[in-house]
Amino acid sequence: DADVTQTPRNRITKTGKRIMLECSQTKGHDRMYWYRQDPGLGLRLIYYSFDVKDINKGEISDGYSVSRQAQAKFSLSLESAIPNQTALYFCATSDSGITKTKYNEQFFGPGTRLTVL
Amino acid sequence: GEDVEQSLFLSVREGDSSVINCTYTDSSSTYLYWYKQEPGAGLQLLTYIFSNMDMKQDQRLTVLLNKKDKHLSLRIADTQTGDSAIYFCAEIKNRDDKIIFGKGTRLHILP
Repeated sequence: DADVTQTPRNRITKTGKRIMLECSQTKGHDRMYWYRQDPGLGLRLIYYSFDVKDINKGEISDGYSVSRQAQAKFSLSLESAIPNQTALYFCATSDSGITKTKYNEQFFGPGTRLTVL
Repeated sequence: GEDVEQSLFLSVREGDSSVINCTYTDSSSTYLYWYKQEPGAGLQLLTYIFSNMDMKQDQRLTVLLNKKDKHLSLRIADTQTGDSAIYFCAEIKNRDDKIIFGKGTRLHILP
């Protein structure tokens, strides 16, 4: 069973629509992240959360919002999708607690491919 | 700047060694990482090196760290078709625990 799951895996939508991407984890980690991957641009951090009710902007947060409803769930919303938000989106988790890997490994979900027409 | 730099593409013949290079930005980064992304999948940690080391070997993988030049490399010996993937160099920013990724190097294996 996957430890970090993302839904949906693929989504095609139209400009102006509201979209929500979901991430769930069973690893018991406190930290969660949303990244966006574009060809030639690598991974860019959108938002991250170090605990429930903790939300922090990453380098490209404009046009996105997030919600950390529970420790295991972190959702990413596009309030009004635009074509340049077409990308592969990844959720990741890490553990800051006493059981953490000392080298701060991040664990990634399988990704959501979003296309905005 | 904030960028972790690495070349975008590398082609290597099967059986040869692959060397992927990276320059990072923060001399105080405690750990440096190599993540691997196979087609259609998320990233997985391949290996890491602690900043007080200059080399780490793990089976076919060798990581070299030059702190003076902020240069990190990943050598894959006896490259196989299963090594075909995108390899991301990354560093951790100790001030806020964020990991900064490079743009990724796509490794293509020639028969």
